[in-house]
Amino acid sequence: GQNIDQPTEMTATEGAIVQINCTYQTSGFNGLFWYQQHAGEAPTFLSYNVLDGLEEKGRFSSFLSRSKGYSYLLLKELQMKDSASYLCAVSGGYQKVTFGTGTKLQVIP
Amino acid sequence: EAGVAQSPRYKIIEKRQSVAFWCNPISGHATLYWYQQILGQGPKLLIQFQNNGVVDDSQLPKDRFSAERLKGVDSTLKIQPAKLEDSAVYLCASSLDEIGRGAHNEQFFGPGTRLTVL
Repeated sequence: GQNIDQPTEMTATEGAIVQINCTYQTSGFNGLFWYQQHAGEAPTFLSYNVLDGLEEKGRFSSFLSRSKGYSYLLLKELQMKDSASYLCAVSGGYQKVTFGTGTKLQVIP
Repeated sequence: EAGVAQSPRYKIIEKRQSVAFWCNPISGHATLYWYQQILGQGPKLLIQFQNNGVVDDSQLPKDRFSAERLKGVDSTLKIQPAKLEDSAVYLCASSLDEIGRGAHNEQFFGPGTRLTVL
């Protein structure tokens, strides 16, 4: 089966750095996705990690440790528009993608 | 490039009625997904198609839900009869890579259909 855990809510200040953690236990692992979802909108792709280590893409970075079943999404220089839910999702056997419940991030001035 | 299209965007029905949703994926995308997203939760996979074959439908409530993907392109998801707990957003997504090709399967989501069952 698949089990993905991430915090329900987080609050951070504009301009700061925030780290959103995700732990997973899955049968089969191909890679891990992070998606951003603004309220009332569809999820949009942020990153995909296959190998251990940090992948940086602008203000967003994603880290993966396959041996620990752990990932995090790092958001730097937070902006108000970063207020959204961040979904951790694991790609397992047959490319099946299982989503976590999401972390609702609120950025405050 | 056109994105994933879904219709209708909103639907309100009474319990025990039937409803159908339509999805047109991005041209050339082999894999199509239907998700159910209840407010405050992550998307839950209902069914995954590879071209016009079903890859995974283990979480589809088959006594009331059905889905098809004719000719490996458009897809419809039907609920018959609907229950109150079916109130959710139904998301359709598609991805380019076929199973086994190794590249990641980034999913492109449609705008979703918000279903309210009264």
